[in-house]
Amino acid sequence: KAGVTQTPRYLIKTRGQQVTLSCSPISGHRSVSWYQQTPGQGLQFLFEYFSETQRNKGNFPGRFSGRQFSNSRSEMNVSTLELGDSALYLCASSLGPLGRPGVYNEQFFGPGTRLTVL
Amino acid sequence: AQSVAQPEDQVNVAEGNPLTVKCTYSVSGNPYLFWYVQYPNRGLQFLLKYITGDNLVKGSYGFEAEFNKSQTSFHLKKPSALVSDSALYFCAVRARSGTYKYIFGTGTRLKVLA
Repeated sequence: KAGVTQTPRYLIKTRGQQVTLSCSPISGHRSVSWYQQTPGQGLQFLFEYFSETQRNKGNFPGRFSGRQFSNSRSEMNVSTLELGDSALYLCASSLGPLGRPGVYNEQFFGPGTRLTVL
Repeated sequence: AQSVAQPEDQVNVAEGNPLTVKCTYSVSGNPYLFWYVQYPNRGLQFLLKYITGDNLVKGSYGFEAEFNKSQTSFHLKKPSALVSDSALYFCAVRARSGTYKYIFGTGTRLKVLA
């Protein structure tokens, strides 16, 4: 079974531009979560989508947005890029939603998209 | 607020020696606890988790972790380190109720010296 795939693997943008990152979950997985990884902050949760609905959102500005399609693939968009947005963006998929009481759904991570903002 | 602390940015250990990577957390209730490992240019790989039951959890590649409720800690251990264990290790927690978000530590870089 193929793992989580993310495209592109590397991106270089300039300040003020916008960017779209893509994530294809493991076949059959319906939940996709996005994380931002930076050296000083570790991994920070951006948002989670399940069945095309955003279920959870982290503390990021509105410039960060996402969506999920009917085939569970997800995209993340960052508008008006800032230097501080340079990071590794990780996508994780799970069979079901992360927030189901009494149920644990393991997350499987993709290799990430390395975004550099100049 | 929920938080996870990995107090050491880097841990150096000689090959063959035991290793410990520390993690403490502040989450209400009894959270789920996880360890992940990240190799260069790779995503996070799951190592082990604590859900319930025995406080000593065994995971992949010979790693284990001990859940200590009174100290709110979940330290990662391995009896004999390998050079190939050198990587970035993340501790994470997830509450059993509420937001269900995963909270990750800032990571500890493990360097195993030959």
